[in-house]
Amino acid sequence: RKEVEQDPGPFNVPEGATVAFNCTYSNSASQSFFWYRQDCRKEPKLLMSVYSSGNEDGRFTAQLNRASQYISLLIRDSKLSDSATYLCVVNFNDYKLSFGAGTTVTVRA
Amino acid sequence: NAGVTQTPKFRILKIGQSMTLQCTQDMNHNYMYWYRQDPGMGLKLIYYSVGAGITDKGEVPNGYNVSRSTTEDFPLRLELAAPSQTSVYFCASSYSPAGSGSPLHFGNGTRLTVT
Repeated sequence: RKEVEQDPGPFNVPEGATVAFNCTYSNSASQSFFWYRQDCRKEPKLLMSVYSSGNEDGRFTAQLNRASQYISLLIRDSKLSDSATYLCVVNFNDYKLSFGAGTTVTVRA
Repeated sequence: NAGVTQTPKFRILKIGQSMTLQCTQDMNHNYMYWYRQDPGMGLKLIYYSVGAGITDKGEVPNGYNVSRSTTEDFPLRLELAAPSQTSVYFCASSYSPAGSGSPLHFGNGTRLTVT
């Protein structure tokens, strides 16, 4: 079983729409959770950390469900600039992070 | 403030050749990492370092070596290139251990092709 699994998509949505997707993780001892954004042929960049109580950053909302071992990302009022691959990242131990293969989102005009 | 700088951006190697991927950061981070990213796969940790003079293996260290003589620099060495090492390589650094919640700062990546 992969340590982190994501629906690869692509999710094709019109501007202004809401899009949401999940990832599941296998290590029940994981304590740190993140969403990174990666544009085509670019490096990953931290989008947001995910906290137990859930958190928002502008149009982005992240949720953590420890019981079912999944985290989610919701994007409201999608912009063309939100088109990217979103990487789900979970810590395996102090130094190792497990990366999902990414969920691709394409926002169309 | 340049952040994490990797060179070269692109490289084509023949099987059996050697090369060093350079990585330097100017954020005074103790923690540095090398990842590879293959199509359709998540990033895999090759090696990491917790400070100058200290390195350790990650998930996929075979065929690679690293050194960390200074806080700033963390080069990755490929000794005998193989086609399986064709990948995109990312260097990253963090203020605290990545697993503790400290965000990773990535370099721009090196696209390596071995033919």
